[in-house]
Amino acid sequence: EIVLTQSPATLSLSPGERATLSCRASQSVSRYLAWYQQKPGQAPRLLIYDASKRATGIPARFSGSGSGTDFTLTISSLEPEDFAIYYCHQRSNWLTFGGGTKVEIK
Amino acid sequence: QVQLQESGPGLVRPSETLSLTCIVSGGSMNSYYWSWFRQPAGKGLEWIGRISTGGSTNYNPSLQTRITMSLDTSKNQFSLNLSSMTAADTAFYYCAGRDYSGGYYTHWGQGTLVTVSA
Repeated sequence: EIVLTQSPATLSLSPGERATLSCRASQSVSRYLAWYQQKPGQAPRLLIYDASKRATGIPARFSGSGSGTDFTLTISSLEPEDFAIYYCHQRSNWLTFGGGTKVEIK
Repeated sequence: QVQLQESGPGLVRPSETLSLTCIVSGGSMNSYYWSWFRQPAGKGLEWIGRISTGGSTNYNPSLQTRITMSLDTSKNQFSLNLSSMTAADTAFYYCAGRDYSGGYYTHWGQGTLVTVSA
């Protein structure tokens, strides 16, 4: 099983600031990595797929990068609706998710 | 716009079998993969298994001895049976779908809480 490790566990930032979230895979997943956003009481929403492609309707302030084992999700300028939990997810070998990074208001 | 809605019991007794159904509306089930995921409160997501509209299944190796999935395209629904339930299976259960060409799940149900307790 491919283990995804996300860091940090919590990110405390103010609206307008830049958020940088990391995801490391226990073995290469090539570019088969996605990022999901989840808010309380809601299902996950796909933000980024194949490491760097924005899903339909996702604002340009969200961007993804990386390949192999190291990946990054960047939110260039946090909006109030961006405070949520973010999960990375790989489909290279079965399907697994990271433990999540909570982006909270500072 | 495809929409999904889970239905099933909110409470299951230990050792019993959980049965959940996902009803798909707003589009055809054809050319999609349909999966179940779960998420214990405050924790991350776990993939349970998937079924194609052709009926082929793939299950999470850690759960495969306990899982049965089926679908009925005439009723626009698919189902999950998870046997030998324990407290460790208490979680929110989500159904989700993705088309054959996309690699990631874009359609999700709202989730249903299943508690395992005597």
